[in-house]
Amino acid sequence: QSVLTQPPSVSGAPGQRVTISCTGTSSNIGAGYDVHWYQQLPGKAPKLLIYRYTNRPSGVPDRFSGSKSGTSASLAITGLQAEDEADYYCQSYDNSLSGSVFGGGTKLTVL
Amino acid sequence: QVQLKESGPGLVKPSGTLSLTCAVFGGSISSSNWWSWVRQPPGKGLEWIGEIYHSGSTTYNPSLKSRVTISVDKSKNQFSLELSSVTAADTAVYYCTMRSNWFDPWGQGTLVTVSS
Repeated sequence: QSVLTQPPSVSGAPGQRVTISCTGTSSNIGAGYDVHWYQQLPGKAPKLLIYRYTNRPSGVPDRFSGSKSGTSASLAITGLQAEDEADYYCQSYDNSLSGSVFGGGTKLTVL
Repeated sequence: QVQLKESGPGLVKPSGTLSLTCAVFGGSISSSNWWSWVRQPPGKGLEWIGEIYHSGSTTYNPSLKSRVTISVDKSKNQFSLELSSVTAADTAVYYCTMRSNWFDPWGQGTLVTVSS
């Protein structure tokens, strides 16, 4: 059971838009700690995708965007491409655990 | 551009100690970052294990704290993980990564299997 809750899977057709939610509690997202998102392609290490809710590192397409609402964060992917098929993880800090926490991960399938 | 590379045995016997090292290239381990370990059991999600600052200050996942030791060797620009009393549940890909606020970059990961 992960501290941050994500849907196990989402899917969409090429060109469509999908969103992935990340729900926390008052000891992590609700306490004001940042949320970051990672993309993990099959067989590869995770890669930073979005930091501090909405910021994209250099080289990440603007098809990827992040947002925050209360004790939740969301990752949106527009103009879905086959290469976006991967696992996506959110991450934050939890003050009751005094450490970093991850969501359980969401598998994106491009139909 | 910091790069990280994990090394260590790929097979550990049950009740033994898992030992891994992460070499840091292209940057100093004495920079203002935390040096972290994250693991991923086969087919499962990411789990933060713990981290160390160059001063030697550490923070561990409470669920693993009693079995984990993370250390730093500034002379070799590397940091290490030891996990004691391992069981099959500790079989995972182990990643080292650098954390400022977020985790970036990541090493390629190394699979450690616990089996007799």
